Amino acid sequence: GAGVSQSPSNKVTEKGKDVELRCDPISGHTALYWYRQSLGQGLEFLIYFQGNSAPDKSGLPSDRFSAERTGGSVSTLTIQRTQQEDSAVYLCASRIAGEQYFGPGTRLTVT
Amino acid sequence: KQEVTQIPAALSVPEGENLVLNCSFTDSAIYNLQWFRQDPGKGLTSLLLIQSSQREQTSGRLNASLDKSSGRSTLYIAASQPGDSATYLCAAGDSGGSNYKLTFGKGTLLTVNP
Repeated sequence: GAGVSQSPSNKVTEKGKDVELRCDPISGHTALYWYRQSLGQGLEFLIYFQGNSAPDKSGLPSDRFSAERTGGSVSTLTIQRTQQEDSAVYLCASRIAGEQYFGPGTRLTVT
Repeated sequence: KQEVTQIPAALSVPEGENLVLNCSFTDSAIYNLQWFRQDPGKGLTSLLLIQSSQREQTSGRLNASLDKSSGRSTLYIAASQPGDSATYLCAAGDSGGSNYKLTFGKGTLLTVNP
């Protein structure tokens, strides 16, 4: 498949644990985004990567959230010391020519 | 800060009806406007993308229009089918800072009844 892929599709974790979410963008797309979709909140921008430029982290809700992109391709979103309010669907998108293409998301449940 | 509003929040129609979904945004300095479809438990499927210089885009039974000056976009669905049932999301692309991040509305939940 040539689309954006994310793993895992579902993750259940205990409050206080760290989690890592992975995104594989479409090959050749240099721009990558993470968004969060919470019940009642809609989709919110988290972070943006473009090539070798410094990422735009303006949407990260707290310093427990971080992300990296290795080799200009795969990205990992890390949430440390998870809280119940972190429960949401985390969506990754890659972009070409102004259009963003989304992955299926990772549903995170913090118990 | 860009804010996107979608009306109505939910819509139920009989099969075959033509319908219009509305989207409004507060900052007209957008790069583009994208309409998505989201099925339950699934990711987003891009339906139509309108560049800021364009007025409308069409794909099959779907037509999206953009009026930047009034901060509005509409998605028109012709001859609706039960398979069109989904949540439709409108997103404004940010032109400032060149990150092109999307600001989303909360969506319109469409149900097309057979």
